[in-house]
Amino acid sequence: NAGVTQTPKFQVLKTGQSMTLQCAQDMNHNSMYWYRQDPGMGLRLIYYSASEGTTDKGEVPNGYNVSRLNKREFSLRLESAAPSQTSVYFCASSEFRQGADEQFFGPGTRLTVL
Amino acid sequence: QKEVEQDPGPLSVPEGAIVSLNCTYSNSAFQYFMWYRQYSRKGPELLMYTYSSGNKEDGRFTAQVDKSSKYISLFIRDSQPSDSATYLCASSTNTGRRALTFGSGTRLQVQP
Repeated sequence: NAGVTQTPKFQVLKTGQSMTLQCAQDMNHNSMYWYRQDPGMGLRLIYYSASEGTTDKGEVPNGYNVSRLNKREFSLRLESAAPSQTSVYFCASSEFRQGADEQFFGPGTRLTVL
Repeated sequence: QKEVEQDPGPLSVPEGAIVSLNCTYSNSAFQYFMWYRQYSRKGPELLMYTYSSGNKEDGRFTAQVDKSSKYISLFIRDSQPSDSATYLCASSTNTGRRALTFGSGTRLQVQP
């Protein structure tokens, strides 16, 4: 049981390049999320998927697209990377227990855009 | 103003000390309150959560919520060097999408 896995762990891009961050979970969770974490800003929600086939914008969606490929996988795409997208990206999946949304996080992807 | 505010620290304490970590929030609709621990260069992991006001204890950790003052606390007794990490509080409502709103995290260092 690997939990939430993310690839790649590190990536360096040049401005304007594109890339896709991959995320997979093996906990049979319905909901999945993409966050970015910047110093002093905490975790900010980019996009989320409440269930397979649905996606919705979070707090900071501009410059990103997502695909919920199936129940296990949720990918995040940067079409034209900008230096402002330099950050650590976390994927999470969740289930509701006694009404609370318990989120489980992956190890993160450290992205630098030059 | 952020919906969940947290002092970034760092907070440095000697081993064995009682640690108090705190957050304030502004959204009266928040009903669930969670604490996540994040080690350096790792993803956050859920420590514990509470519903509405009150206390919850788990080993050396106690979470406390005072809804009247919109104040969230995490107490760590007999702190250990292995407790050195960033602690993030998070809150959510109990209706609708119930997305988590995170504080920015407090970095804790427990000195041996």
